[in-house]
Amino acid sequence: NAGVTQTPKFRVLKTGQSMTLLCAQDMNHEYMYWYRQDPGMGLRLIHYSVGEGTTAKGEVPDGYNVSRLKKQNFLLGLESAAPSQTSVYFCASAREGSYNEQFFGPGTRLTVL
Amino acid sequence: AQKVTQAQTEISVVEKEDVTLDCVYETRDTTYYLFWYKQPPSGELVFLIRRNSFDEQNEISGRYSWNFQKSTSSFNFTITASQVVDSAVYFCALSVWGGSQGNLIFGKGTKLSVKP
Repeated sequence: NAGVTQTPKFRVLKTGQSMTLLCAQDMNHEYMYWYRQDPGMGLRLIHYSVGEGTTAKGEVPDGYNVSRLKKQNFLLGLESAAPSQTSVYFCASAREGSYNEQFFGPGTRLTVL
Repeated sequence: AQKVTQAQTEISVVEKEDVTLDCVYETRDTTYYLFWYKQPPSGELVFLIRRNSFDEQNEISGRYSWNFQKSTSSFNFTITASQVVDSAVYFCALSVWGGSQGNLIFGKGTKLSVKP
């Protein structure tokens, strides 16, 4: 099992450009999450999904959109990137239930110039 | 509202010293879960432990131990006889039953440096 994978690992964007980050999991997990990690801030939830076709906003959703068309994939989109979105993005998945551990992907380091 | 506080931003110890990482949480819910994750320099997040609010037993796993005290809302993590490989950022996190479908609320992390 590959677990949780993220594509790409690194990306540099110019302000105003758009891009999509892909998260894939092969553990048949219902729940998937996107977090961002900024220096000294810990991880903060951007959006999450409790199943195929469903998405919901987290703590810091502005400037991002997500889609969960297939159970195994969770896409994070930036329509018009801003320097404030420079961060490390982590995807995670978990079995149904808030008591279950989340399995994290390796992260995507995004720089917006 | 829920909150996790890790007051120690950075800790530096010499190999073989014991070190305790503090975690204080806030929640009004009676059912919740506490987690510790490790983030080594390579960047990935590694799950270490989960504890539910009804289980206050301390846990030991090798050199790692956890002390959960509801009376002080704390879930502290101790590494005994630290090693260089323990150098990492450690995150404490909280999940509330029924809240945001398992969303983890993270503390800001404690960076541990273990010097040889």
